[in-house]
Amino acid sequence: EPEVTQTPSHQVTQMGQEVILRCVPISNHLYFYWYRQILGQKVEFLVSFYNNEISEKSEIFDDQFSVERPDGSNFTLKIRSTKLEDSAMYFCASSAGRGRYEQYFGPGTRLTVT
Amino acid sequence: GQQLNQSPQSMFIQEGEDVSMNCTSSSIFNTWLWYKQDPGEGPVLLIALYKAGELTSNGRLTAQFGITRKDSFLNISASIPSDVGIYFCAGQLIGYKLSFGAGTTVTVRA
Repeated sequence: EPEVTQTPSHQVTQMGQEVILRCVPISNHLYFYWYRQILGQKVEFLVSFYNNEISEKSEIFDDQFSVERPDGSNFTLKIRSTKLEDSAMYFCASSAGRGRYEQYFGPGTRLTVT
Repeated sequence: GQQLNQSPQSMFIQEGEDVSMNCTSSSIFNTWLWYKQDPGEGPVLLIALYKAGELTSNGRLTAQFGITRKDSFLNISASIPSDVGIYFCAGQLIGYKLSFGAGTTVTVRA
């Protein structure tokens, strides 16, 4: 069964460093998303991406964040200068579109900022 | 943004019991989804509901999209040990973002 994959599973970085989280959405899906989940809290929306542009973003998704679909399969989230409060699980999700908007999530990347 | 209230916050189950949890919102949604999350993993989609009043089953799971479009419930019948985990409701209005509830933690009663 097709699934969303994410790499790395765990990333440790120092405050101020740039990180890139990578995702391979389900093939043929048209809509891509990033969410984050701080330990013990609910899942929070960051950004949605369709047709090579951001379609919606949350207040969390400030100028330190960017997304890119560099080729036909990968979808990346970049954090330019990480802060301690960026430590969280980051989930990528995708949906097919064309009337089917249920979102399928990847296993997540645990980002630890020290 | 939309506020989702999910209850109960936690519950203990005994194998074979039926369990129920629900989600209410301050505003309407066009889609309700239910996910299960195991520790350290991503949310796994259980059921998607697209129409007000819709009742959908997936094995031992049954979920309903409330008539007012502001609520949904999830029932698990004849629970088994692997049902433990955190269950999240999520609502989608227009656009594509999901708004998640805080989750219901299901634990096996010793």
